[in-house]
Amino acid sequence: DAGITQSPRYKITETGRQVTLMCHQTWSHSYMFWYRQDLGHGLRLIYYSAAADITDKGEVPDGYVVSRSKTENFPLTLESATRSQTSVYFCASTASGTETQYFGPGTRLLVL
Amino acid sequence: AQKITQTQPGMFVQEKEAVTLDCTYDTSDPSYGLFWYKQPSSGEMIFLIYQGSYDQQNATEGRYSLNFQKARKSANLVISASQLGDSAMYFCAMRSRNTGNQFYFGTGTSLTVIP
Repeated sequence: DAGITQSPRYKITETGRQVTLMCHQTWSHSYMFWYRQDLGHGLRLIYYSAAADITDKGEVPDGYVVSRSKTENFPLTLESATRSQTSVYFCASTASGTETQYFGPGTRLLVL
Repeated sequence: AQKITQTQPGMFVQEKEAVTLDCTYDTSDPSYGLFWYKQPSSGEMIFLIYQGSYDQQNATEGRYSLNFQKARKSANLVISASQLGDSAMYFCAMRSRNTGNQFYFGTGTSLTVIP
């Protein structure tokens, strides 16, 4: 089915481990985004990408790495997970020239 | 810096009544977009409505309308004829060219519709 998917949907990991969250969209949208959602903070932008091989930091990028070698994929890596990175992570995409942002279903990450 | 403020952490409304969820924003960019999203308890983010800064008329989408007051920098969401399924978190968001097309979200308002 067309749309935006995230995997895994749920992940438990330990402090210090590397974790990669995957995001895939089938619309060929140029813009892609990673957010984290925490109580009291709403959604905060971690990284975004305007096109393949173009990425930029958002509001809370520390501890995260992204890449975008293909338009449809935008993985987010936690290089050394910390408990403060326990959160719900949302991927989103937007077509160039349009305004509406579409979200994936989210990944719930627990860092022990 | 861009900023979105939602001052109502929680709201209650009687079924079939209208409710207004408040949102104020702060930007120096003359070109920006304002959005509302709904997040039900299942967790997904659902786009509801969009208003461009240059749009002359308030946006409407079915039972949703956006009360856009540019001089006051407010973009309140009005839900008419509330339904039980409207119970959810509602987020206001803004995107502007000056910030590289980043989206900024408010902290959300939890709406509960009472039968």
